Order: sequence, then C-alpha cells, then structure tokens
Amino acid sequence: EADIYQTPRYLVIGTGKKITLECSQTMGHDKMYWYQQDPGMELHLIHYSYGVNSTEKGDLSSESTVSRIRTEHFPLTLESARPSHTSQYLCATAPLGTGELFFGEGSRLTVL
Amino acid sequence: GESVGLHLPTLSVQEGDNSIINCAYSNSASDYFIWYKQESGKGPQFIIDIRSNMDKRQGQRVTVLLNKTVKHLSLQIAATQPGDSAVYFCAENGGGSNYKLTFGKGTLLTVNP
Repeated sequence: EADIYQTPRYLVIGTGKKITLECSQTMGHDKMYWYQQDPGMELHLIHYSYGVNSTEKGDLSSESTVSRIRTEHFPLTLESARPSHTSQYLCATAPLGTGELFFGEGSRLTVL
Repeated sequence: GESVGLHLPTLSVQEGDNSIINCAYSNSASDYFIWYKQESGKGPQFIIDIRSNMDKRQGQRVTVLLNKTVKHLSLQIAATQPGDSAVYFCAENGGGSNYKLTFGKGTLLTVNP
C-alpha cells in the first residue's frame, strides 16, 4: 500500500489549461519535494517544503507554483500549461534530518 | 557548476554476474550520497546510502564504495537478477542538513537471462 499518493497518474491536456497535480502522504514527514523528470533523464528539483507554510523554489526554474497548507498535502499548479511542460512530475517526502527521499509513482503530463 | 554524473549510460550483464555502476561527482563539499533504483513507470526507490566519513557500506546484495580522493562513487550488485533491471541514479547532498539532493543522469542496467 502506497504511503505517497500522486494524482492523476496520467494527464493529457490542451495548451492554456490550468492544472493541479496532487501529492499527499500518510508518513507524517515534514519535508516534501517536487522533481521534474524527462524520459530517461535525471531528476531536477523544482520545489520543496520543510513544513507547513514553507515553500522554496528548487534548482530548476519552473513556472509552476506550490502550496503547503497541511503537512499531508503538497499540490503543484500550472496556471497555463504549455507543450514545454510535458514531463513526469515526481513527489517525494523525507523526515527532518535525513536525506532518504520516499517517492510517489509520478504524474505524467502531456500538453498538446 | 557542480554536477553529479555517471560514467556509463547503459550496462548489460548476464544473470548471476556481478554488476558495477559508477558515478562521478564534483562537489567536494558533498557529505552524503545515495543510490536509487527506478523501474519503468515507477518512482525511484532507495537502495543504499553512505556518508562521507565512510568509504564502504554493505546492504543485501549491494555495496556502495566511496572514494573521496577522486570523487567517485560506485554501486556493486552481487549475483544480478532479472528483477534488478532498471535505471540506477546516484544523488549527492552538497552539504548541510537540508538535504537538497542533486541527481546524476542514470545508468540503465539490463540483466540478460
């Protein structure tokens, strides 16, 4: 049974649409992350949070935004999707003081 | 800029052989390293980690070796099985307790029966 839930797993949308990728966890971890990964490529950190009301941008510039109102949820939003946003988005969590990330199954986004 | 990379993008081995996957890093301040396995269509899974005050760590069928002198990290898988076929990523923490990991490009391991 998964402890990190990402929805939707697959999404195909048209240019200009607003989308929100959901990530929720039952592990009680303070730290949550969003990584972007193109097929066969490395993971790039786009957002992270160390707790409620804490969000930071990652190393890779992204037009997406995130929020952390509750410990369990870390949604990612694209206000106006473009084909360049086509990618896989991976959510991860970790307890404070450790570097071991626990990943969700990912959300694969295709923007036409 | 600082980077983490892998020497070989693909590795093909016979079932039962030992596999060695290599990783080079350039940030001398990195204090923590971790290996992940990613199967097709899934998120990465933790394999093993090592801190910079160690040079070797063993798990079940896996060993990670760290050579800080040449900034090199390797993952050894003993008696490789078809279920080990996946992409393997190394990642580093560039220092500090925040653990913002930088991932390498990945190596595709294919195990032939």
